[in-house]
Amino acid sequence: GQSLEQPSEVTAVEGAIVQINCTYQTSGFYGLSWYQQHDGGAPTFLSYNALDGLEETGRFSSFLSRSDSYGYLLLQELQMKDSASYFCAVRAGTDKLIFGTGTRLQVFP
Amino acid sequence: NAGVMQNPRHLVRRRGQEARLRCSPMKGHSHVYWYRQLPEEGLKFMVYLQKENIIDESGMPKERFSAEFPKEGPSILRIQQVVRGDSAAYFCASSRGGAEETQYFGPGTRLLVL
Repeated sequence: GQSLEQPSEVTAVEGAIVQINCTYQTSGFYGLSWYQQHDGGAPTFLSYNALDGLEETGRFSSFLSRSDSYGYLLLQELQMKDSASYFCAVRAGTDKLIFGTGTRLQVFP
Repeated sequence: NAGVMQNPRHLVRRRGQEARLRCSPMKGHSHVYWYRQLPEEGLKFMVYLQKENIIDESGMPKERFSAEFPKEGPSILRIQQVVRGDSAAYFCASSRGGAEETQYFGPGTRLLVL
């Protein structure tokens, strides 16, 4: 089967750093994506890793280790507006995305 | 530069009625994907289409659900004889195609079946 596992919830305070892990088991792998979704909103693309290593985009960074079937999203200098759900997603065969169950991040003042 | 457009944003149907959800991809995108999201859950892939072709419908229920992406006009996800379990948010995404291309999501259609 195909599965992606993420922690269900993470809490942190403004200004802190938080890491959201994702482990995956899929048939076919082209890369790992991360999406942010606010309540009632649409998923918004954050990052994509096709190769091992760290990708940095502003306050957000994403890491992939293909040999470990593992990745993470790192959020720095947390702001209240970062409170949202974060999903990892594997690009599997035929371009479809297989999504994780999501991690709800709550940022407190 | 319009993003992915979906309509309606909210749709209420009674059991047994039909629901039609529309999706217009971003300009320059010819690949469309439909996903369903139940409350407090992740998105589940339903179907992947290119113009006039269904590429992958492995996530579509075998009955009552169909999708199309005609040569002209939006992609349509059609649900016949809706049941309460069909209540969910339905998101459309589009891309240029290819494993490296990012999928961009529309605002979704929230379907409520009474």
